[in-house]
Amino acid sequence: DQQVKQNSPSLSVQEGRISILNCDYTNSMFDYFLWYKKYPAEGPTFLISISSIKDKNEDGRFTVFLNKSAKHLSLHIVPSQPGDSAVYFCAASASGGYNKLIFGAGTRLAVHP
Amino acid sequence: DTGVSQNPRHKITKRGQNVTFRCDPISEHNRLYWYRQTLGQGPEFLTYFQNEAQLEKSRLLSDRFSAERPKGSFSTLEIQRTEQGDSAMYLCASSLPRNRETQYFGPGTRLLVL
Repeated sequence: DQQVKQNSPSLSVQEGRISILNCDYTNSMFDYFLWYKKYPAEGPTFLISISSIKDKNEDGRFTVFLNKSAKHLSLHIVPSQPGDSAVYFCAASASGGYNKLIFGAGTRLAVHP
Repeated sequence: DTGVSQNPRHKITKRGQNVTFRCDPISEHNRLYWYRQTLGQGPEFLTYFQNEAQLEKSRLLSDRFSAERPKGSFSTLEIQRTEQGDSAMYLCASSLPRNRETQYFGPGTRLLVL
């Protein structure tokens, strides 16, 4: 059973516009959420995280929103840049679980000029 | 560069052979994780070490898989009698011991079993 779902396998956005990547989860024990970015032939790189006690966290061009009642989070990138083109993974962890991460399948973002 | 390193980066082997991968975490990171990623999927948790103690293993880690971290520094992941279904990217990550510390990933070892 997939506890973390990213239903959009791909997204194409024009440079300068906003990119919105979505993620849904089913396990109500998850209380910490992260976004990672992955380029080909590299390991995932941490982008931003949010605890379940917050509903928004911002870091530069990246903002993560959490809606606990809907079990939904989203990553907003604004403005999008060609260098943002990569696969984005949503991940979640539950307290007491040694911080092991449960990942979604990823969304491939393409930012074109 | 003092990030997580993994060796080899690529491994091609024949079905039935044994393979071993190595992970060197960031120094002072006493938490070490192994994940596996197959095509079109996100990384899946395999096992977790705190120092030299293996504290959690996923049911994905069959009897043919064994992981060690003998001195609490580098770790090895061995697959015995490889099968074609073992073909995947094997990722290692490390973090500091505090709660909710970020996991930093290595570049991975891509395994192809023929």
